[in-house]
Amino acid sequence: GNSVTQMEGPVTLSEEAFLTINCTYTATGYPSLFWYVQYPGEGLQLLLKATKADDKGSNKGFEATYRKETTSFHLEKGSVQVSDSAVYFCALRKGGTSNYQLIWGAGTKLIIKP
Amino acid sequence: DVKVTQSSRYLVKRTGEKVFLECVQDMDHENMFWYRQDPGLGLRLIYFSYDVKMKEKGDIPEGYSVSREKKERFSLILESASTNQTSMYLCASSLFRGENGNQPQHFGDGTRLSIL
Repeated sequence: GNSVTQMEGPVTLSEEAFLTINCTYTATGYPSLFWYVQYPGEGLQLLLKATKADDKGSNKGFEATYRKETTSFHLEKGSVQVSDSAVYFCALRKGGTSNYQLIWGAGTKLIIKP
Repeated sequence: DVKVTQSSRYLVKRTGEKVFLECVQDMDHENMFWYRQDPGLGLRLIYFSYDVKMKEKGDIPEGYSVSREKKERFSLILESASTNQTSMYLCASSLFRGENGNQPQHFGDGTRLSIL
């Protein structure tokens, strides 16, 4: 079946460090892939997405590349800020008639220290 | 901007009570979703609806029901609340765009429900 696996957190970094949060998936067909972010006390919001192999999604300095050969969609940022502290969720959208449902990873909590 | 509004941020209820969680979206979205969020488990889909009066079970529907009488409103009902339903509940909505649609889900801020 379809599934998403994220690296366990929390991930703790110093400000200006390089960030990678790993995400791998199992899916049939050609799913779309997403990263959502949840800031403290808020709901989730879409951070970036990629809809086909080799697509790169980017937003707010974050990037992720859809790698079909390694079934991965790792989130990266070159220089993190304290304001990036949040929980990050990787998700995939099933193909076909149920294409509005998302399969979610468990989330990775990111803590950035000044 | 899309706004998804959940009626309560925090709610405390007693075991056996019937609990209603309300969600309203203001962007005429066809799809609406109820999730629960628990540490280490991510988001788990309880129910979703793709049209008025239409609903489908998600991954964990047991102990819950839903109602969608109007397009903008999607209610989650705990028929007889139990302590294992203590959780964060998130509502989301999205626009339907057919087979090739990739519209993002927009979330409310969540309701933290405690069942005593």
